[in-house]
Amino acid sequence: NAGVTQTPKFQVLKTGQSMTLQCAQDMNHEYMSWYRQDPGMGLRLIHYSVGAGITDQGEVPNGYNVSRSTTEDFPLRLLSAAPSQTSVYFCASSYSYTSGGTYEQYFGPGTRLTVT
Amino acid sequence: SQQGEEDPQALSIQEGENATMNCSYKTSINNLQWYRQNSGRGLVHLILIRSNEREKHSGRLRVTLDTSKKSSSLLITASRAADTASYFCATDSMDSNYQLIWGAGTKLIIKP
Repeated sequence: NAGVTQTPKFQVLKTGQSMTLQCAQDMNHEYMSWYRQDPGMGLRLIHYSVGAGITDQGEVPNGYNVSRSTTEDFPLRLLSAAPSQTSVYFCASSYSYTSGGTYEQYFGPGTRLTVT
Repeated sequence: SQQGEEDPQALSIQEGENATMNCSYKTSINNLQWYRQNSGRGLVHLILIRSNEREKHSGRLRVTLDTSKKSSSLLITASRAADTASYFCATDSMDSNYQLIWGAGTKLIIKP
């Protein structure tokens, strides 16, 4: 199993450009999520999905869009890049949470994005 | 908003010593998880402890949970150079709609 894969590993964008960060998992996980990690801070949730066709906003959704057409893929779209979106982006997947809480999250290697 | 706060922010110890990191959180939780992140890499799950559990072990790792104090600790015994990494705690609760809320992490350096 490849686990969770992310592409690209590095990206430089100019302000106003758009792009899509790709995320795929081969573990048949229902739950997928996108986080951003900034220096000195913990991970912050951008968007998440509990299954194909179902997405919801996290803590910091502005400026980002997601869709989930298949169980395997969960792309993150930056609509009009801004310098404040310079960050490291992580995709994660797991079995879907229940009333008992969450499960172990499997993380991709991350995408380091710089917006100039 | 950060639910978990790790303490200390940074810790440097000699190889072979034990390392203890603490995590405090604000609201009642379902589960608390610990993760490791090596420099420039993704996070790796270490241990999940449920709110009705007090202690869990995994190899050289020992996690405790004190729900009355809203705190958890991660103990790494007999540290090795390969343990050098950042360690994060994350909690989920009904208040967070079961989404994980993360602390800022403890940066652990093991000196050879």
